[in-house]
Amino acid sequence: AQKITQTQPGMFVQEKEAVTLDCTYDTSDPSYGLFWYKQPSSGEMIFLIYQGSYDQQNATEGRYSLNFQKARKSANLVISASQLGDSAMYFCAMREPDTGRRALTFGSGTRLQVQP
Amino acid sequence: GAVVSQHPSRVICKSGTSVKIECRSLDFQATTMFWYRQFPKQSLMLMATSNEGSKATYEQGVEKDKFLINHASLTLSTLTVTSAHPEDSSFYICSARSRGPGELFFGEGSRLTVL
Repeated sequence: AQKITQTQPGMFVQEKEAVTLDCTYDTSDPSYGLFWYKQPSSGEMIFLIYQGSYDQQNATEGRYSLNFQKARKSANLVISASQLGDSAMYFCAMREPDTGRRALTFGSGTRLQVQP
Repeated sequence: GAVVSQHPSRVICKSGTSVKIECRSLDFQATTMFWYRQFPKQSLMLMATSNEGSKATYEQGVEKDKFLINHASLTLSTLTVTSAHPEDSSFYICSARSRGPGELFFGEGSRLTVL
């Protein structure tokens, strides 16, 4: 079974509008971390936001917020006021430290295109 | 913030040659480094985990004799693709974990093209 599922291969959004990128995960580990990364065409992985499994509040970082629904095992990324520079691939990832697996497991990614 | 540097960013080589990719943590000591591989339009797949001073742990299906990983110091890990073939052409990305709570920092990636 996939650990991280991103069901949207591609998304379009108009500039200045908000967009939600979906991510669901599967783990039996009570302690885990969820990450979102942005990968522009240059290939670098840019860290956006982090949510710990025990965090009570949804994480926010500027225009990025994470809609964490633990019971549903979902960690959707919300980008508010989209900008042209937001066009990129977005990856959701999970780390499960209690299993000893400190590497990140990535989803298949969502390509976001922001239209003027 | 912390910086991880990869070199070279792009490399083109002939089939049968070996290629070495370096991953350096520039301003922190990386106890653990991870090597990922990304095919075009696909996700990052973990190849191996390397801990300083010990042998790398490879993921299932990754040939350890083909992808040699050396983590000789707390700031440097190298990935050597031995006897490269066109199917090894890919984007290779390293990430480094610092001591303590351990954020992960990614290198810029290295694009390998084997002719």
